[in-house]
Amino acid sequence: EDQVTQSPEALRLQEGESSSLNCSYTVSGLRGLFWYRQDPGKGPEFLFTLYSAGEEKEKERLKATLTKKESFLHITAPKPEDSATYLCAVRRGGSQGNLIFGKGTKLSVKP
Amino acid sequence: SAVISQKPSRDICQRGTSLTIQCQVDSQVTMMFWYRQQPGQSLTLIATANQGSEATYESGFVIDKFPISRPNLTFSTLTVSNMSPEDSSIYLCSSRKGAAMNTEAFFGQGTRLTVV
Repeated sequence: EDQVTQSPEALRLQEGESSSLNCSYTVSGLRGLFWYRQDPGKGPEFLFTLYSAGEEKEKERLKATLTKKESFLHITAPKPEDSATYLCAVRRGGSQGNLIFGKGTKLSVKP
Repeated sequence: SAVISQKPSRDICQRGTSLTIQCQVDSQVTMMFWYRQQPGQSLTLIATANQGSEATYESGFVIDKFPISRPNLTFSTLTVSNMSPEDSSIYLCSSRKGAAMNTEAFFGQGTRLTVV
């Protein structure tokens, strides 16, 4: 069964304290792993897509990496505005393009 | 990137009634997806709506409870029928640009539904 597990469920950081979020997955025929950011009362906002093991992508203080079993979202020197829930999702081959989501990691960055 | 306008953004409804949620995309799209996000749970796909055909429902979701319309390539509705408190959740519509499987999905802002 396709499954996405994110850890930790919640993470509290001090401003400037770097850390990583984990997304482990099992899926039949991965057709992309996606990271989204979701702010309260809003829909998920796209951050990254990764397709193959070893791939990395960066955007400002965020860097996403992918292995055959998991992905990491590294946050370097976070700021309070990085506080949000970060969602990981996979798209599997043979699907109509829908995503399978993890439960998310709620990140709080304190000044 | 494409934009989805979803409404209403929130509603409080009486049990036994129905609510229709609308999603308007600012460009033509092939697929539209409806998700449910319950507190502490992951986004769960309800159904996939393709223009001109019946929606495809995921296990645990049925058309009588969640009828979907897809009259054209920019619009879709989801109705939550005969609501009970267990239907209280956030409902999100989604699509992706183009038919290629490797394009990212984009989302509406969600509808927060409370059933009392």
